[in-house]
Amino acid sequence: GDSVTQMEGPVTLSEEAFLTINCTYTATGYPSLFWYVQYPGEGLQLLLKATKADDKGSNKGFEATYRKETTSFHLEKGSVQVSDSAVYFCALGSTLGRLYFGRGTQLTVWP
Amino acid sequence: GAVVSQHPSRVICKSGTSVKIECRSLDFQATTMFWYRQFPKQSLMLMATSNEGSKATYEQGVEKDKFLINHASLTLSTLTVTSAHPEDSSFYICSARAVTEWTSGGVAKNIQYFGAGTRLSVL
Repeated sequence: GDSVTQMEGPVTLSEEAFLTINCTYTATGYPSLFWYVQYPGEGLQLLLKATKADDKGSNKGFEATYRKETTSFHLEKGSVQVSDSAVYFCALGSTLGRLYFGRGTQLTVWP
Repeated sequence: GAVVSQHPSRVICKSGTSVKIECRSLDFQATTMFWYRQFPKQSLMLMATSNEGSKATYEQGVEKDKFLINHASLTLSTLTVTSAHPEDSSFYICSARAVTEWTSGGVAKNIQYFGAGTRLSVL
C-alpha cells in the first residue's frame, strides 16, 4: 500500500546551516508529494508540493524534487533560520485524494 | 490564501460528556473534509473522510458511534466525541479540500488545507 518513510529526528542546526530531511515513498499509481510544516500548537501548513516526476516544489527557500527513480522527495534549504524551527511532515497524496503522512521531523535551529 | 477555521482550539471536559469540534472553510467550498488525530510527537492518523451530504467514511479501528461526523454544508463539518474518556484526549485536526481552484485567492484544487487543531483533554 501507499506509505511514506521519513528521516527520524530531531534535527538540530545552527543558523545558516544547510538542511536536508530525507523522505522516501511507496505508492501505486502516480501520487502527488507534499511537505507540510507544523509550528508549535498549530495545525499543518502546506510548504511545497510536486505533482509529477522531476517536478521541483519550492517555497520560502525550501526545495524538494520528485524523484521517481529513487522514490524520494527530500526537503532541502541552503541556509536555515531560527524561525524555521518546527516539525516537518512529508506526505503522499493518493489518486483517491487521501494523504499518507510520515512520522514528522522536529527541526530546531539555534542562533 | 485558503483558510480553515477550527473551533474550539482547546477544550477540557469531564469524563462522560460529549464535545463538538467545528471545522469551517472560510473562503472556499469543500466537498470533502478530513479528520485526523495526532498523538504527542507522532504523525497524523486519518480518522474519517467526510463528504458533504453523505455519511462519513471511517478508517479501520475508528468507532463511528464514538466519533460522530456531520458535513452539513460545503463549508462546515463537525466532529462530536461522544461520552469522552481520558483515552480520547488528543490533538484533533481537520482539513478541507477545495472544490474549485481560485488562483488569485491562493486556493488550489485537490489540496488539503488544515485547521489549527483542537487540543482535547478529558479529565
